[in-house]
Amino acid sequence: AQSVSQHNHHVILSEAASLELGCNYSYGGTVNLFWYVQYPGQHLQLLLKYFSGDPLVKGIKGFEAEFIKSKFSFNLRKPSVQWSDTAEYFCAVIHGSSNTGKLIFGQGTTLQVKP
Amino acid sequence: DAGVTQSPTHLIKTRGQQVTLRCSPKSGHDTVSWYQQALGQGPQFIFQYYEEEERQRGNFPDRFSGHQFPNYSSELNVNALLLGDSALYLCASSLWGASGANVLTFGAGSRLTVL
Repeated sequence: AQSVSQHNHHVILSEAASLELGCNYSYGGTVNLFWYVQYPGQHLQLLLKYFSGDPLVKGIKGFEAEFIKSKFSFNLRKPSVQWSDTAEYFCAVIHGSSNTGKLIFGQGTTLQVKP
Repeated sequence: DAGVTQSPTHLIKTRGQQVTLRCSPKSGHDTVSWYQQALGQGPQFIFQYYEEEERQRGNFPDRFSGHQFPNYSSELNVNALLLGDSALYLCASSLWGASGANVLTFGAGSRLTVL
């Protein structure tokens, strides 16, 4: 079955530390890739997405992600985290390029940033 | 403001009952997808509606059904509730056929507790 794996379930960092959250998917064909964030008490929000082109994608709030096709990976990075980045982060993939709306989500990573 | 509105925000039901959840998509969107998010898990795709028809379905039993209305709003119905149906139910909207059609806007969700 197609799946998305997020390696870190709970990450604790101090402010200004660098962040990298791992994401791997199992499908080898065309994919659309996403990172969503869910701040405490809020709805899922899109951080960034990759459809095609430059594999280094920049999103909101200083986040970026790199698509490495050979590794089936789409890791999320931020050079310096802030307390306000405390949230749950979800990697998601849609296989193919159709309008299925059928995102497959990873289990999520809870990020706690200590002030 | 998510742009996608869901109701009710919270509800409690007992086993065997039926529940209806409602969703209004973001203005300008015509496609609605429903997801189930169990505690500590990533969202799981239930189904997608476009032009009042179910277009895609995830691995959920027939107890889960839906409907889309001419104004693009949608309902999710769950019959014969089980304890395991306790979850946050998310509605997401998008624009069919547009560039980036797989970019979903999520609502805040309806939290269902089955006792």
